[in-house]
Order: sequence, then C-alpha cells, then structure tokens
Amino acid sequence: GQNIDQPTEMTATEGAIVQINCTYQTSGFNGLFWYQQHAGEAPTFLSYNVLDGLEEKGRFSSFLSRSKGYSYLLLKELQMKDSASYLCAVLDSNYQLIWGAGTKLIIKP
Amino acid sequence: DARVTQTPRHKVTEMGQEVTMRCQPILGHNTVFWYRQTMMQGLELLAYFRNRAPLDDSGMPKDRFSAEMPDATLATLKIQPSEPRDSAVYFCASGPGLAEVTDTQYFGPGTRLTVL
Repeated sequence: GQNIDQPTEMTATEGAIVQINCTYQTSGFNGLFWYQQHAGEAPTFLSYNVLDGLEEKGRFSSFLSRSKGYSYLLLKELQMKDSASYLCAVLDSNYQLIWGAGTKLIIKP
Repeated sequence: DARVTQTPRHKVTEMGQEVTMRCQPILGHNTVFWYRQTMMQGLELLAYFRNRAPLDDSGMPKDRFSAEMPDATLATLKIQPSEPRDSAVYFCASGPGLAEVTDTQYFGPGTRLTVL
C-alpha cells in the first residue's frame, strides 16, 4: 500500500527554527510537494522536490532523500503567521498525488 | 490575479437532498481535481479531470456522487442523495498540466457542506 507519515502536531517558539519530517512509501516516485494550509483555508503550494538535496526559498527550505524515502520542510525565523498545517504529498508512478495527513504547527510567542 | 473559484462557500442541507458544488478553474488550466477534507480522513481525492475527460474517480462513491466538466470553465460535483457522513469541506483544484511531474495544484477556497 501507499503510505505517507508526518507528525500530527508540533510546537515551536517565535523566532526559532523547526523541521517537519515526512517519510513515504509509494509505488514509484515523481516528486514530492509541500503545501501550507491555514485553518479554514485552502492548501497553498510551498515547494516541489524531485532530485535529492536541499531547495531553499526564503525562510522555507525543503530537503529530499529518495533512497531513504524521506523529506523535511525547514522553517527559519518563525513568525506567528506560520501557525498552520503543513501537508506532504508524493506524486507516484501513475502521477497520482498521495497526500499525508498533515502536521499542525503551533507557534508560541 | 487568477484563482480557482468555488460556489457555494457554505451549504447546509437535509439528508436526502441533492447538493451541487461548482468550480471555475484558472483560465488555461487543463487539469481539475475534486477533494474532500475532514478532520478524520484528511485530504481525499474524489475525481481528476484532464482536458475535461475524467481520468480517475476511484475515490468517489459511485452510487451517490458524480463529477462532470460540461465545459473548460466549469466543473461540478453532485451528491444525490446526500447523507450526514458527506459533511466535509470540498476543495476544487486546478493545474496547468504542462508537465505531469511538476503539476502544481492551485486550490479554490472550498465548499463547507453540512448535511443534517
């Protein structure tokens, strides 16, 4: 079966750094997405990785290791507005997007 | 700026009634997705269209749900008859479909459905 695992909830402090992990077991791999979803809103695209390594985009970075079936999203200089759920999704061999359940990130002052 | 629109934003109905949700994808996008999101299940893919043709609706209960794209600017999701367990937020998303492996999905604001 296909499976994507993320922690259910994480808490971090404003100004700090947090790493949200995602591990996956899918039938094939054609890329991994991270989406951000604020409460009551739609998911919005953050990043896409298809090759191993780190992709940096401002305060957010995403890392991928295909051999380990592992990715993480790194958020630096945390702001209160970063409080949201972060969804990991993998594009499998049939180009279907398999979604994780999401990680709820709580930022405290 | 271009965005996916969905109507209605909220719908409260009684069990057994028909519900129709509408989505206008971003102009020029040729992939359209319908998702359902609940606290318990997270995001579930219900249906997927490319160039208006249904490619995958395996996630949809066939006996009561139907999804169509009558034209390139409109996608519909119907539930008939609706049941309380259908209560969820239904998202429509569209993608440019330029390349399968990088097809970012752009989500609409969702329809929050409550079936009493």
